[in-house]
Amino acid sequence: DAGVIQSPRHEVTEMGQEVTLRCKPISGHNSLFWYRQTMMRGLELLIYFNNNVPIDDSGMPEDRFSAKMPNASFSTLKIQPSEPRDSAVYFCASSFSAGSDTQYFGPGTRLTVL
Amino acid sequence: QQQVKQSPQSLIVQKGGISIINCAYENTAFDYFPWYQQFPGKGPALLIAIRPDVSEKKEGRFTISFNKSAKQFSLHIMDSQPGDSATYFCAAHSQNRDDKIIFGKGTRLHILP
Repeated sequence: DAGVIQSPRHEVTEMGQEVTLRCKPISGHNSLFWYRQTMMRGLELLIYFNNNVPIDDSGMPEDRFSAKMPNASFSTLKIQPSEPRDSAVYFCASSFSAGSDTQYFGPGTRLTVL
Repeated sequence: QQQVKQSPQSLIVQKGGISIINCAYENTAFDYFPWYQQFPGKGPALLIAIRPDVSEKKEGRFTISFNKSAKQFSLHIMDSQPGDSATYFCAAHSQNRDDKIIFGKGTRLHILP
């Protein structure tokens, strides 16, 4: 199994631009999570899906952030417009269910907003 | 009540020493307590986990100690090696409720060669 796949691995953009991060979860996993990691805040859960349905988006910082999961094998996290404070590493993780023993993390996308 | 408090924020240990990271929680509904290890440039990965029906779990040099009455648990790394240098996250969740995992803030561990 290839594990959780994220793209791009690195993204550099200018303030005000739209940014789309992509994630392919492990096949057969029913839950998908988007996290943001910074030195100041640590690992923050932004949103998670069960069976492609958003369950908890209370961690999404503001309306500039949106996430979709159109099918079981693909999810996107979009930031529009992006701001320098959005600079962070964004991780996608998947598990069999939200309460499963283990979450499997992707390699992350390092986002830099200039 | 959903928080998991982790300390210290950073830790430096000599090679061969014991590294200890502590976590505390409030929600008594939590019934699964994993530790994740993250190397630079990588995503976190499950290292070891414990359920509250036991007080200790050991896997190689890594041991979790669990104190249910105090609502605390800790990770001990025996004979710490430079390759153990990483960020460690404790976590907790309630599997019965199928809730999300709650992560601690993380501890950056550096083992001196």
